[in-house]
Amino acid sequence: GQNIDQPTEMTATEGAIVQINCTYQTSGFNGLFWYQQHAGEAPTFLSYNVLDGLEEKGRFSSFLSRSKGYSYLLLKELQMKDSASYLCAVPGASGNTPLVFGKGTRLSVIA
Amino acid sequence: DAGVTQSPTHLIKTRGQHVTLRCSPISGHKSVSWYQQVLGQGPQFIFQYYEKEERGRGNFPDRFSARQFPNYSSELNVNALLLGDSALYLCASNHSPTTGTEAFFGQGTRLTVV
Repeated sequence: GQNIDQPTEMTATEGAIVQINCTYQTSGFNGLFWYQQHAGEAPTFLSYNVLDGLEEKGRFSSFLSRSKGYSYLLLKELQMKDSASYLCAVPGASGNTPLVFGKGTRLSVIA
Repeated sequence: DAGVTQSPTHLIKTRGQHVTLRCSPISGHKSVSWYQQVLGQGPQFIFQYYEKEERGRGNFPDRFSARQFPNYSSELNVNALLLGDSALYLCASNHSPTTGTEAFFGQGTRLTVV
């Protein structure tokens, strides 16, 4: 089955850089997703990695190492509005389970 | 274009009652998935439907059921509600159920069972 581990909480300062890590164990690999979820709102798509390496998208970047079962989300020039939960997710093993999510990392950005 | 819409947004039910939650996917999307998210946890997969057929089911009891209609909207039904069913229920739509396609989530239905 699929298993995902990510830190529960992180705190960072406005304007700084923060890295949110995610480790996973999967039977088969079909890519890794990152979603952002503000309190009480729907998750919104941030990135999808299927090949090793870093993908940059504005202030957000996502990295994947398939051999290490490891990914991270890098947030630069932090803003207060980046305070949210960040969810790491992989497609299910059977292919019929759309996404298996980690518990999420709650990021607090402080002044 | 309208995103994924869910109704109702909030709901309070008593233990033992039944509830029906509704979801309308993005226009053109034929795959709908349901997730349960309890406070402080990530979403947990309940069901996936594609072209009106069940394509996947998570580890939930038979009290949970769902269906998809010809217009691709979907309903999630929960019978004999328990306190532990209190959660945010999320609906997500994809163009197809192929892995690797981005899922778009609705705002969710916050269910409270008292």
